[in-house]
Amino acid sequence: DSGVTQTPKHLITATGQRVTLRCSPRSGDLSVYWYQQSLDQGLQFLIQYYNGEERAKGNILERFSAQQFPDLHSELNLSSLELGDSALYFCASSGTGGSGKLFFGSGTQLSVL
Amino acid sequence: AQKITQTQPGMFVQEKEAVTLDCTYDTSDPSYGLFWYKQPSSGEMIFLIYQGSYDQQNATEGRYSLNFQKARKSANLVISASQLGDSAMYFCAMRENNNAGNMLTFGGGTRLMVKP
Repeated sequence: DSGVTQTPKHLITATGQRVTLRCSPRSGDLSVYWYQQSLDQGLQFLIQYYNGEERAKGNILERFSAQQFPDLHSELNLSSLELGDSALYFCASSGTGGSGKLFFGSGTQLSVL
Repeated sequence: AQKITQTQPGMFVQEKEAVTLDCTYDTSDPSYGLFWYKQPSSGEMIFLIYQGSYDQQNATEGRYSLNFQKARKSANLVISASQLGDSAMYFCAMRENNNAGNMLTFGGGTRLMVKP
């Protein structure tokens, strides 16, 4: 168990809809990262938050947004969903210092029908 | 250009034998970190091993070792005495210290299949 909690584990929705994925980092970790894993794109970095502030942005679509709350949990909002948004979405957290390794949650499998 | 390249989409290994999974990287940052993660069919990402760019010795963690050749920019994962439970996807990743965040950039992965 990595200590990172993601909900829900599975999500099935229709095109055009909006969903919210939730992540609770490991206790004490200030950084939260979101990744998208799809068959054709592999593991793509979306966005990172550190202690409530956006720290880095990757290949995140404008239809997607995220935030990190004062209790350090994070939410990834996906709107106007398209078939191609179907993927496994990971949240990860890391502490300060050390190797910077990421601890991953078990992921949310999103299916857009 | 790809920052992390894993050239072996799939590999077979006989149980109890050793196997090497290849990873090459590209960075101009003198300070960076290299990681290997395992993703079994259940989907979770499991950290295996880490190598810092300034580490003098190759990293080892149990049956896992990292063959770090800095001049060649390669960071191959060696798994000794393969077990059936080693069948999974394996991802090489890099953290560059010159980026604003600490995100990891992942390679495309290698699917390892262990034969009994």
